[in-house]
Amino acid sequence: SQQGEEDPQALSIQEGENATMNCSYKTSINNLQWYRQNSGRGLVHLILIRSNEREKHSGRLRVTLDTSKKSSSLLITASRAADTASYFCATDHSNYQLIWGAGTKLIIKP
Amino acid sequence: KAGVTQTPRYLIKTRGQQVTLSCSPISGHRSVSWYQQTPGQGLQFLFEYFSETQRNKGNFPGRFSGRQFSNSRSEMNVSTLELGDSALYLCASSPADRSTYEQYFGPGTRLTVT
Repeated sequence: SQQGEEDPQALSIQEGENATMNCSYKTSINNLQWYRQNSGRGLVHLILIRSNEREKHSGRLRVTLDTSKKSSSLLITASRAADTASYFCATDHSNYQLIWGAGTKLIIKP
Repeated sequence: KAGVTQTPRYLIKTRGQQVTLSCSPISGHRSVSWYQQTPGQGLQFLFEYFSETQRNKGNFPGRFSGRQFSNSRSEMNVSTLELGDSALYLCASSPADRSTYEQYFGPGTRLTVT
């Protein structure tokens, strides 16, 4: 069963603005990952943050993890049209599978 | 390095038939996971294989089965297809012995059951 939940379900912003999406989970994790899916490139890994890390950066992406609140956020700065995609969080709970949320659909308007 | 490949890319089947989907992981990756994705849903985990052994299975009926070969290529089979099996089936490989590290996904097989 799915444990991760992203919000919002959909987000529409102007190009150049920042986009923030959130992920919550229910039980303790080893790591949390963010993926992006669009029709052109399929599902692609963006960033992995371990349970003992609080923040991680990769280019225009910033991920935070709050294990006390069982939540994570993904911030995309200076959004571009190419960032239009669905974003998923996936959590590792030590049983050889990732648990996925239903995703946030992000639309960047020109 | 070539990415994860899945064949076929598209498939149309009739209810009651069976189907076999194939996945070739990135060279050197021994962990292969399978997922089902339906519109508006996240990915539902089907099963994971490592070195020909199924290490975990999701909450799917026994009609869904899989296997992995010695060269790490994997197949999944769905028997007695139902309309609800229409979905995008994704395969992912991982370079680590823990499949829950970074996963590399194939383009998927779009299965339509009529």
